[in-house]
Amino acid sequence: AQSVTQLDSQVPVFEEAPVELRCNYSSSVSVYLFWYVQYPNQGLQLLLKYLSGSTLVKGINGFEAEFNKSQTSFHLRKPSVHISDTAEYFCAVSNNAGNMLTFGGGTRLMVKP
Amino acid sequence: DVKVTQSSRYLVKRTGEKVFLECVQDMDHENMFWYRQDPGLGLRLIYFSYDVKMKEKGDIPEGYSVSREKKERFSLILESASTNQTSMYLCASSPSDRGLVNSPLHFGNGTRLTVT
Repeated sequence: AQSVTQLDSQVPVFEEAPVELRCNYSSSVSVYLFWYVQYPNQGLQLLLKYLSGSTLVKGINGFEAEFNKSQTSFHLRKPSVHISDTAEYFCAVSNNAGNMLTFGGGTRLMVKP
Repeated sequence: DVKVTQSSRYLVKRTGEKVFLECVQDMDHENMFWYRQDPGLGLRLIYFSYDVKMKEKGDIPEGYSVSREKKERFSLILESASTNQTSMYLCASSPSDRGLVNSPLHFGNGTRLTVT
């Protein structure tokens, strides 16, 4: 069985500052990892995903994430955030068949002017 | 673009009522999912379906049932609503031929259910 832990429930940050949202996972099989974003009053949308290959994955809106197998982590980063990045971010891991996701508890990113 | 539509944005129901949450997708996706979203707990899978008339339990199916009579529609049913089912409910869909590794889940905007 898979599980995902997002270490911070809320991350306040000033506009144009860098940010890192932390995610750790546990799984007994090879995993596929995802970050989804939920803007206020909307459903979730895919930000980026790691399937294989390069451990640094680039997504939409300037976000990137690094897969670290030894630390079982998949932290999300952005070098300079905007007010519009204010949202809730979810890390997720797939099952071995790749047809079901287990989500973490979410991290609320609050970008302040 | 794929559209996943949840029929109600907000619902208020009384304890003991039978509640139907409806979800329709317009992209002929085989897979459909129901999640509930609670602060600090993220999204938890209630039920999913890989085909018409087919259903599988997720992580927290107790107190819920589902119906998939048509490919585009997946209904979540609370047989007797209780206050601990107050939550945000999210429906999602995906095509079956590529799995979630190649095609993302497409989510609806959610139904916020309050049971009083």
